[in-house]
Amino acid sequence: KQEVTQIPAALSVPEGENLVLNCSFTDSAIYNLQWFRQDPGKGLTSLLLIQSSQREQTSGRLNASLDKSSGRSTLYIAASQPGDSATYLCAVRRVGGSEKLVFGKGTKLTVNP
Amino acid sequence: GAGVSQTPSNKVTEKGKYVELRCDPISGHTALYWYRQSLGQGPEFLIYFQGTGAADDSGLPNDRFFAVRPEGSVSTLKIQRTERGDSAVYLCASSLTSDTRGYTFGSGTRLTVV
Repeated sequence: KQEVTQIPAALSVPEGENLVLNCSFTDSAIYNLQWFRQDPGKGLTSLLLIQSSQREQTSGRLNASLDKSSGRSTLYIAASQPGDSATYLCAVRRVGGSEKLVFGKGTKLTVNP
Repeated sequence: GAGVSQTPSNKVTEKGKYVELRCDPISGHTALYWYRQSLGQGPEFLIYFQGTGAADDSGLPNDRFFAVRPEGSVSTLKIQRTERGDSAVYLCASSLTSDTRGYTFGSGTRLTVV
């Protein structure tokens, strides 16, 4: 059974700092990995999707990497801003058959002005 | 529509009552998913529709939960004899079958069973 773990559970940083969020998964037979952002009381917004054949994806100040063999992904946020404060969720979709996503519990990020 | 719409946004019901939660996917999206998110947890998969049929309902916790998508567009998640443990945010997502950019989620329905 696929399990996704996110470390740390919460993170508080001053504005302008670069930071890394970690995600690990137990079964390396994944189809893709996706990072989402969730604001309080809101649904999920997709940030980056990495296919299993890819090593990284970039969007603006965000960079996500994937090491499938070791079961790890990182989300790098450069020059953090107070508007980046949210919960960041990692989710994997496995190879073959089911299209469901398996999510981690998320990392709650607070960027202080 | 422009996005995935879920109604109601909030629902408070008494233990033992029946509730229906509605999801309007993005127009043309053939795949539709329901997830449940309890406080402090990540979303957990409930059911996946491809068109009108449930392709994977392995996440439904028990037979009190049922979902339909009769015309391949709008979906309704139905919960019978609600229990306090059913309190959670119920999220719906849709995608194009071949869309590799991932899912688009709605804002969810917050269900509270008192």
